[in-house]
Amino acid sequence: DADVTQTPRNRITKTGKRIMLECSQTKGHDRMYWYRQDPGLGLQLIYYSFDVKDINKGEISDGYSVSRQAQAKFSLSLESAIPNQTALYFCATSDHRLAGGQETQYFGPGTRLLVL
Amino acid sequence: AQSVTQPDIHITVSEGASLELRCNYSYGATPYLFWYVQSPGQGLQLLLKYFSGDTLVQGIKGFEAEFKRSQSSFNLRKPSVHWSDAAEYFCADLRHKSDQSQGAQKLVFGQGTRLTINP
Repeated sequence: DADVTQTPRNRITKTGKRIMLECSQTKGHDRMYWYRQDPGLGLQLIYYSFDVKDINKGEISDGYSVSRQAQAKFSLSLESAIPNQTALYFCATSDHRLAGGQETQYFGPGTRLLVL
Repeated sequence: AQSVTQPDIHITVSEGASLELRCNYSYGATPYLFWYVQSPGQGLQLLLKYFSGDTLVQGIKGFEAEFKRSQSSFNLRKPSVHWSDAAEYFCADLRHKSDQSQGAQKLVFGQGTRLTINP
């Protein structure tokens, strides 16, 4: 399994603040993803990156931005946090080169964010 | 719209009883299907996956799932649950576009089923 780490694990911030969530992986996977989880809604895709120069919006990208600093690092930013961005955020990785179309996504432990 | 549906939001079973969690998908092409488990305070762990071949898939922790195209289902089963199986379970479908070189693949999740185990 991919070793996917997320920092911080928990974060409390105030409305209007800028925050960054970090994701790192050590397995050399080329694709990385950011999801948010809200109770009763499952996971929704925020952004995804197929490689360092290929970043795409997911289904709920408004209010978020991302940066793929290296193959192993994918950061999610909230430029001006608002309370309805309170959620559990997951990073995931997959390897397209090995699996072709049959990819498995491996998830990090999550970051719990509270916006006051 | 293409979607993954888990009809049961919450299921309670007794320890040692059998378990079946339902998952239905709606997608015209052959789906790539997954079950993940999220234990309290934890991330998502892959239980099993189906891409092709044998429609009965074995996973970790004694779980299995059966792909039934005629019913558009991929139900998760376990013959005897343990208290440690209490968690939230997510079914997901990898939507793939074979006509694109990169493949605009997207993992679509169901809403999740929360499993409670009675002692």
